[in-house]
Amino acid sequence: DIVMTQSPDSLAVSLGERATINCKSSQNLLYSSNNKNFLAWYQQKPGQPPKLLIYWASTRESGVPDRFSGSGSGTDFTLTISSLQTEDVAAYYCQQYYGTPRTFGQGTKVEIK
Amino acid sequence: QVHLVESGGGVVQPGRSLRLSCSASGFTFSNYAMHWVRQAPGKGLDWVAYIWHDGSNEDYADSVKGRFTISKDNSKNTLYLQLNSLRAEDTAVYYCARNGGYCSGDSCYGGYFDYWGQGTLVTVSS
Repeated sequence: DIVMTQSPDSLAVSLGERATINCKSSQNLLYSSNNKNFLAWYQQKPGQPPKLLIYWASTRESGVPDRFSGSGSGTDFTLTISSLQTEDVAAYYCQQYYGTPRTFGQGTKVEIK
Repeated sequence: QVHLVESGGGVVQPGRSLRLSCSASGFTFSNYAMHWVRQAPGKGLDWVAYIWHDGSNEDYADSVKGRFTISKDNSKNTLYLQLNSLRAEDTAVYYCARNGGYCSGDSCYGGYFDYWGQGTLVTVSS
């Protein structure tokens, strides 16, 4: 199985400041046939289902604010929130869909400092 | 808009069975593969099962293989998960999710989850 490891497990960021979450895969997620990284990011607020933020490592889902961005390739990926807002308090998960089983990172909790 | 509504959860004793349903609307259900993903209380996300758009192929996490069965009734716009031989460690909120991706020519690429239901809680306890 492809193991996804996120860091940190939690972080506290001041309002308006940048939040950065890292995700490392145990295997390469760049597929040569379409030159895309099979990596997605989700946001989950308490009591709610996860919400897709980013897919193909850097494509923002429709309706997602542009303060959210994804980057990286191969085995190392980053989710950046450029200016943290109150409504961004949540857990964030990366997920690979290069192989089966689909696997998630353990999650990163983002709080306001 | 896309809407997924799960049902069928509840409290069940170890070794017993349960069937979950996911009613879909707002998109052409027969064109999409679907997944079940679960989340144990206070824990992270675990993918459970996947079924092709036409129901012709399935895939399962090792932890549920041989005990759970995913199925899809495109005439009813409904996804199912049959849970047999339930264990305490199967206690979780079960989400249905639509498969995200694209097709180019004869090749299709994807496997992320672009829409999720609200989930249904399954508690396995004696």
